[in-house]
Amino acid sequence: DADVTQTPRNRITKTGKRIMLECSQTKGHDRMYWYRQDPGLGLRLIYYSFDVKDINKGEISDGYSVSRQAQAKFSLSLESAIPNQTALYFCATSDWPGPGPNEQFFGPGTRLTVL
Amino acid sequence: AQTVTQSQPEMSVQEAETVTLSCTYDTSESDYYLFWYKQPPSRQMILVIRQEAYKQQNATENRFSVNFQKAAKSFSLKISDSQLGDAAMYFCAYRGRDDKIIFGKGTRLHILP
Repeated sequence: DADVTQTPRNRITKTGKRIMLECSQTKGHDRMYWYRQDPGLGLRLIYYSFDVKDINKGEISDGYSVSRQAQAKFSLSLESAIPNQTALYFCATSDWPGPGPNEQFFGPGTRLTVL
Repeated sequence: AQTVTQSQPEMSVQEAETVTLSCTYDTSESDYYLFWYKQPPSRQMILVIRQEAYKQQNATENRFSVNFQKAAKSFSLKISDSQLGDAAMYFCAYRGRDDKIIFGKGTRLHILP
């Protein structure tokens, strides 16, 4: 089974709708992240959480909110979706401050289309 | 603020040949990590190779190796004996002390049979 899962994998919605993207992990990591990927722009950080009570804004948090329901769950919400939020969304985890370079482990991504 | 620049949006290489993807970064930190991630058409982000800035020796993982030039802030990826399965988008990434990863915009690599 995958260590980091995301649901749904694909979603098409309409402008103004509220959307929630969910992320779950079985790696036991405290740190979790949400990124969005746009063609030609790479991945940009939306929000990150160092533990259940510590949530921080990333580079592009406007229009998004998050909830860390448990160590294993980190949800991203679009309160009122707009077309320029059409993108590929990734959840990731990190075992920082464990030993080594503490790579981030990514989920499979959610393709969101806002019409 | 840290930045990561990949100057080659697309590259092509003949199967079995060697290709080098370029990456430069800007930082004022002395301790950091650098990564190359591969994103195939499945869109999964796969770690290819990592480099700790305090290590002078270049990292190597099978056919993948890096040329890390700390003073020049350069971190290029060399793929030897290119295979069709290497076709993907490749992202260079920087992680500093705050644990946030900064990604470059990516280089799409095509493998020509």
